[in-house]
Amino acid sequence: AQSVTQLDSQVPVFEEAPVELRCNYSSSVSVYLFWYVQYPNQGLQLLLKYLSGSTLVKGINGFEAEFNKSQTSFHLRKPSVHISDTAEYFCAVSEFQGAQKLVFGQGTRLTINP
Amino acid sequence: EPEVTQTPSHQVTQMGQEVILRCVPISNHLYFYWYRQILGQKVEFLVSFYNNEISEKSEIFDDQFSVERPDGSNFTLKIRSTKLEDSAMYFCAGGGGSTYEQYFGPGTRLTVT
Repeated sequence: AQSVTQLDSQVPVFEEAPVELRCNYSSSVSVYLFWYVQYPNQGLQLLLKYLSGSTLVKGINGFEAEFNKSQTSFHLRKPSVHISDTAEYFCAVSEFQGAQKLVFGQGTRLTINP
Repeated sequence: EPEVTQTPSHQVTQMGQEVILRCVPISNHLYFYWYRQILGQKVEFLVSFYNNEISEKSEIFDDQFSVERPDGSNFTLKIRSTKLEDSAMYFCAGGGGSTYEQYFGPGTRLTVT
């Protein structure tokens, strides 16, 4: 079974500041890793994914994440945030095989202050 | 760009009533999923559907729940006798296969009173 822990439930930052949202996972098998974003009153949108290869992956809206196998982490970063980045961010994993269901973390609410 | 649609956007029902939540996934997807998000909690997997049958289900997905893809386009989640604790946002998703991505619909907010 897999589990995902997002270490911060809320992260407030000022506009144009950098941000890191932390994610750690646990799994007995190899997994794929994802970050999804949920804007207010909307569904989940894929930000980026790690399947294999380079451990630094780039996604939409200037976000990137780094896969660290030894630390079982997949932290999300952005060098300079905008007001429009205010949203809930979910880290998720899925197994290589089978139905590839997503197992989500609890979410991190990112609030950007002007 | 094609997208996943869900209807209704909000459903209010009384405890014990049956509800059907509808989804139209993207046509070339292979796997279809239902997830739910109770207010303030994480998104939880309910069930996956592949090749016209359930491929995996969670402990939440008990006998009160069922899924169908009756006509090759719609994908439905039925709750036979709703409970107060079924109040949640229900998301449909499609994808899987070689891209490993899942595309989510906007969700249906179910309120059981």
